[in-house]
Amino acid sequence: SQTIHQWPATLVQPVGSPLSLECTVEGTSNPNLYWYRQAAGRGLQLLFYSVGIGQISSEVPQNLSASRPQDRQFILSSKKLLLSDSGFYLCAWSVRRDRQYFGPGTRLTVT
Amino acid sequence: KQEVTQIPAALSVPEGENLVLNCSFTDSAIYNLQWFRQDPGKGLTSLLLIQSSQREQTSGRLNASLDKSSGRSTLYIAASQPGDSATYLCAVPLTQGGSEKLVFGKGTKLTVNP
Repeated sequence: SQTIHQWPATLVQPVGSPLSLECTVEGTSNPNLYWYRQAAGRGLQLLFYSVGIGQISSEVPQNLSASRPQDRQFILSSKKLLLSDSGFYLCAWSVRRDRQYFGPGTRLTVT
Repeated sequence: KQEVTQIPAALSVPEGENLVLNCSFTDSAIYNLQWFRQDPGKGLTSLLLIQSSQREQTSGRLNASLDKSSGRSTLYIAASQPGDSATYLCAVPLTQGGSEKLVFGKGTKLTVNP
């Protein structure tokens, strides 16, 4: 069966510090991978979308970047965090227009 | 541009009541629609996926309907239980070139009171 992992579960970082969030998927090959951010009152916002290794589509201009070094690994990064980067970050995967499956999320607080 | 609206934003009902959550979308050229559940501080759980060729999809006490022409979907929950308390989100694909990216509504927060 397929499983999706995200870590860390929670993170508190000062403004200006770097960020690295990791997502890995097990039990499937060549999935589409997604990074979302969920901020209070703003709904679920798609940040990055990847259809394969090294193929990243950025959905909104922002302080973040994403990379996909392996087929089932998706990394969200920032060189310098802003207060506005606080939120709940969710990774998801899908294949062939089927359901999207979400990870447990990372709660990021930038202080 | 695809936009998804969910009404109501919040709903509180007594245990045992049947209820309907609504979802509307602006671009009807979709290939499916998904309903998700989110518990506080958790990720989303896929509940139902309705293909564009289907009118309904059922899972246990949940029944989702899709009317593409009118841009609407409903999620019907029968005999609600306190454990059904969560936020329910619907999502449809962006219709640009068959993209698999989804557009989400802001959700309906459901509280079922014992």
